[in-house]
Amino acid sequence: GENVEQHPSTLSVQEGDSAVIKCTYSDSASNYFPWYKQELGKGPQLIIDIRSNVGEKKDQRIAVTLNKTAKHFSLHITETQPEDSAVYFCAASLNYGQNFVFGPGTRLSVLP
Amino acid sequence: DAMVIQNPRYQVTQFGKPVTLSCSQTLNHNVMYWYQQKSSQAPKLLFHYYDKDFNNEADTPDNFQSRRPNTSFCFLDIRSPGLGDAAMYLCATSSGTGGYEQYFGPGTRLTVT
Repeated sequence: GENVEQHPSTLSVQEGDSAVIKCTYSDSASNYFPWYKQELGKGPQLIIDIRSNVGEKKDQRIAVTLNKTAKHFSLHITETQPEDSAVYFCAASLNYGQNFVFGPGTRLSVLP
Repeated sequence: DAMVIQNPRYQVTQFGKPVTLSCSQTLNHNVMYWYQQKSSQAPKLLFHYYDKDFNNEADTPDNFQSRRPNTSFCFLDIRSPGLGDAAMYLCATSSGTGGYEQYFGPGTRLTVT
């Protein structure tokens, strides 16, 4: 089955700096890759996603890149703010959105 | 606002005492999911419904059951909770008809005493 790895497990950055989180997946048939932000005591919130027919997608300060050949995808957050502090999960899906396999998560701390 | 609602937000049950968690959605989505999330871990899919079709993950314990009486509601039943079942339980929905995104509720924190 699909296996998703995520690095780093923790990340601390200064406010205003950029943050990058990387994920790799094992099944080349995976076709949908969302990123979720989870704040303490809350459910995961979708922040950006990318489909397998696209190499890059951007939404304001957040961008995701996908390298299908290498089977990895990355989340880029620019101009980080303290409210970006949370746990971020990547996921991969084989069935166009069903049956997500999540990465283990990255705890991002943005220091003021 | 359209959303995924979970009740209760916090549930305490005794070891071995059956408990039911509730999820409702106003998105009119075809697919509803139940995930278990333990502390500092990723959500783990337990099962999902595509309309009325139930799909159980291979490693979901028999102690966990689910019901979906209509499009809007889905229930998670834990027949005999053990201490290891203490976790956050997350409900999510997706369109199932071209929309890939899953939308999560706020979760129910289950404590087993």
